Amino acid sequence: SQQGEEDPQALSIQEGENATMNCSYKTSINNLQWYRQNSGRGLVHLILIRSNEREKHSGRLRVTLDTSKKSSSLLITASRAADTASYFCATDILQGAQKLVFGQGTRLTINP
Amino acid sequence: DTGVSQDPRHKITKRGQNVTFRCDPISEHNRLYWYRQTLGQGPEFLTYFQNEAQLEKSRLLSDRFSAERPKGSFSTLEIQRTEQGDSAMYLCASAQRNYGYTFGSGTRLTVV
Repeated sequence: SQQGEEDPQALSIQEGENATMNCSYKTSINNLQWYRQNSGRGLVHLILIRSNEREKHSGRLRVTLDTSKKSSSLLITASRAADTASYFCATDILQGAQKLVFGQGTRLTINP
Repeated sequence: DTGVSQDPRHKITKRGQNVTFRCDPISEHNRLYWYRQTLGQGPEFLTYFQNEAQLEKSRLLSDRFSAERPKGSFSTLEIQRTEQGDSAMYLCASAQRNYGYTFGSGTRLTVV
C-alpha cells in the first residue's frame, strides 16, 4: 500500500515560475526522499532529508519536512521546460526492514 | 558504467510463459531492491536483499514470483506463468543506508 500522498496530482505552470509539491505520510520515518521520473524512464534521486532536519537545499530545489504534521514539500524555483516530469516522495519508514515507500506522484508540466 | 543496469529494457511475452529479468547494482552497494510500477502510479515495493539474504518480500509477490541474489552481486527476478496483470515496469535499485537509492532504467514487461 502507498504510504504517502502527493498533492497536487498534476501541476502545469509557465517556465520561470516556481513549482511547489506537497507530500503527506502516515508513519514515523527515518528520512524522506524526493525522486524525479521522466516518462518511461527510471527514477532519479533528487534530495534526502533526515527526520531531524527541517529544511534542505540543492541548487534550485528546496525541501521542507514537518514531522509533527507528517508532511513535506518540494519547491522548484525558476522552473525550466526540462523540469517537466513526475515527482515522487518516498519515505524510509522505521518499522520493519528498511525500504522506501512511494506516493503516487505529482505530474509537473512546464509550459514554454 | 557506475550505475544500475537492468536487462532487458523491454520484454513482450505470451500469457503463461516464464520471464526472467536481471539487475546489476552498483558494486559498493550491499542493498538491492525490486519495485513494480504501473502506469500513473508510484513504484510498489516487491522485495529487498542485503548482500545475498532476501530480507523482505511484499504480499504483492505471489508464489509465481521469485528473486535471487547469488553471492550478493547481481539479482534476477523470475515470473512464472505470466498473467496480463503482470504487465508493468519492473525497477531495480541499489543503495547504502541513509543515502538515496540509485534506480536502473527498468524492464517494461508486456504480457499479451
